[in-house]
Amino acid sequence: DTGVSQDPRHKITKRGQNVTFRCDPISEHNRLYWYRQTLGQGPEFLTYFQNEAQLEKSRLLSDRFSAERPKGSFSTLEIQRTEQGDSAMYLCASSQTTFRDYGYTFGSGTRLTVV
Amino acid sequence: AQTVTQSQPEMSVQEAETVTLSCTYDTSENNYYLFWYKQPPSRQMILVIRQEAYKQQNATENRFSVNFQKAAKSFSLKISDSQLGDTAMYFCARRNTNAGKSTFGDGTTLTVKP
Repeated sequence: DTGVSQDPRHKITKRGQNVTFRCDPISEHNRLYWYRQTLGQGPEFLTYFQNEAQLEKSRLLSDRFSAERPKGSFSTLEIQRTEQGDSAMYLCASSQTTFRDYGYTFGSGTRLTVV
Repeated sequence: AQTVTQSQPEMSVQEAETVTLSCTYDTSENNYYLFWYKQPPSRQMILVIRQEAYKQQNATENRFSVNFQKAAKSFSLKISDSQLGDTAMYFCARRNTNAGKSTFGDGTTLTVKP
């Protein structure tokens, strides 16, 4: 297993366009998380899945954001009608959280620039 | 809101010396996990060390150790024998046992000087 993979690494899009990011977690991990990070800030929670179920979504998250994790494997994060304020690094992480929590394994992130 | 606060935006240390990064948090829960993550420049974030709140013994991982003060809600990271490769942004995070997400602080940028 090569860790958590995110694709693409960079995305430049025009305001108003839709974008989709993909995350492939570590296969043994049951949880998958999406976070957003802006320069000089800590990661901000967006949503997370346990297997294929989306268990929590941030109340700060606009309806323009949607995430899926079909069959409990990879996940996609879609942003519709992008705005300049969506420019950020989008981080995916996975973890195996049953009886104990050993922390996240992060991907390298997708850097989104909305122009 | 249950927050995580890192009061030192930037720190520097000479190579081979010891440095301590501070973190305080707010929670009404009794059972939770605490983490320190490291994010080197332009590289992915990795876990440095973790602590389970029900354990009184401070966690240690090689040159990294924590000082966990549950009553004070404080969780500092000590890096001994600092190396140039320790230069990174360090994030403190907390996850309540009955919750899914972790809450992160805004980070401390650590520079190790030769």
